[in-house]
Amino acid sequence: DAGVIQSPRHEVTEMGQEVTLRCKPISGHDYLFWYRQTMMRGLELLIYFNNNVPIDDSGMPEDRFSAKMPNASFSTLKIQPSEPRDSAVYFCASSLTRGTGELFFGEGSRLTVL
Amino acid sequence: AQSVTQLGSHVSVSEGALVLLRCNYSSSVPPYLFWYVQYPNQGLQLLLKYTSAATLVKGINGFEAEFKKSETSFHLTKPSAHMSDAAEYFCAVSESQGNLIFGKGTKLSVKP
Repeated sequence: DAGVIQSPRHEVTEMGQEVTLRCKPISGHDYLFWYRQTMMRGLELLIYFNNNVPIDDSGMPEDRFSAKMPNASFSTLKIQPSEPRDSAVYFCASSLTRGTGELFFGEGSRLTVL
Repeated sequence: AQSVTQLGSHVSVSEGALVLLRCNYSSSVPPYLFWYVQYPNQGLQLLLKYTSAATLVKGINGFEAEFKKSETSFHLTKPSAHMSDAAEYFCAVSESQGNLIFGKGTKLSVKP
């Protein structure tokens, strides 16, 4: 079975540019999570979806960040405009349940904003 | 609010030595507890989880963890470290309908 697939694996962009990160969850998983990992703050939950519906976006840093899940097999995280402090590894994860179940992580998208 | 504290951001052991990674949690309800491992340039993967069954939980790659309610701890151990165990380890806590809250992580180095 294919795991969670993220693209791009690496992105280098300049401040002010739009960045779009993509995620394909494991088929059949009802929950999709976007995390951000930095040295300073560790792993932070940005937003999660249940059955394609955004449930909790309280972790989204600011209005420059947006996430969508148009269907069960695809989600995007967009940053517009990007800033150097957005540099981080962004992980997508999916699961069958919330709380008690296992999260399956993608390999991450490493974003560098110059 | 739930929280997780991992004591020691870096732990170094010799190959063949005991591995002990510490995790303490805070939760107002019976928690679900997890250990995840992250190898370089990869996502996290589940090592083991505690979901109110046996207090001693066995995971993959010879790791195990013991839930101690009185100490609010869930330390991760392995009797004999292998070079391939070098990675970052994350403890996480959740409620039954809650999101996982991750600790800051502990980097494990294994010396030959």
